[in-house]
Amino acid sequence: SQTIHQWPATLVQPVGSPLSLECTVEGTSNPNLYWYRQAAGRGLQLLFYSVGIGQISSEVPQNLSASRPQDRQFILSSKKLLLSDSGFYLCAWRENLRETQYFGPGTRLLVL
Amino acid sequence: SQQGEEDPQALSIQEGENATMNCSYKTSINNLQWYRQNSGRGLVHLILIRSNEREKHSGRLRVTLDTSKKSSSLLITASRAADTASYFCATDPTSGSARQLTFGSGTQLTVLP
Repeated sequence: SQTIHQWPATLVQPVGSPLSLECTVEGTSNPNLYWYRQAAGRGLQLLFYSVGIGQISSEVPQNLSASRPQDRQFILSSKKLLLSDSGFYLCAWRENLRETQYFGPGTRLLVL
Repeated sequence: SQQGEEDPQALSIQEGENATMNCSYKTSINNLQWYRQNSGRGLVHLILIRSNEREKHSGRLRVTLDTSKKSSSLLITASRAADTASYFCATDPTSGSARQLTFGSGTQLTVLP
């Protein structure tokens, strides 16, 4: 069966520090991968998606970036965090040609 | 901007009652999906309804879709305290690649024991 992992679960970082959040999927190959951000009590904002290794599409211009160094690994990064980067970050995957997305447990990021 | 918008934003009911949540969207869709999110957790897929379907059932869930009005509703019957969560609709548009779902802002459901 397929599983998706995200880490860390919680992160507190100072403004201006770098960020690296990791997401890995097991039990499938060549998945579509997604990074979302969720502000408190709000819906999901799509940040990046990837249809294959090295292929990244950005939905929202900001100081975040994403990379997909391996088929089932998706990384969200920042060189310098802003206060507005605080939120709940969710990774999701979808099997190619299928419709449902499956979400990881999320990373709660607090930038102080 | 959000494609799907849920209504109401918050709903509080007694255990055993039915809960109805509505979703409106703006563009043509392939399908509409409902997800559930427990506090501080990831989203879990509940049910999918395709654009050529009008109603679908899964256990205590009933989803309707009216493409002429661009709206959908999720009905949870005989609610339980464990149904307390946020519920999101997500639309899968006919255009665009990589099946980018667009999520609404959600309905926070509280079921009181």
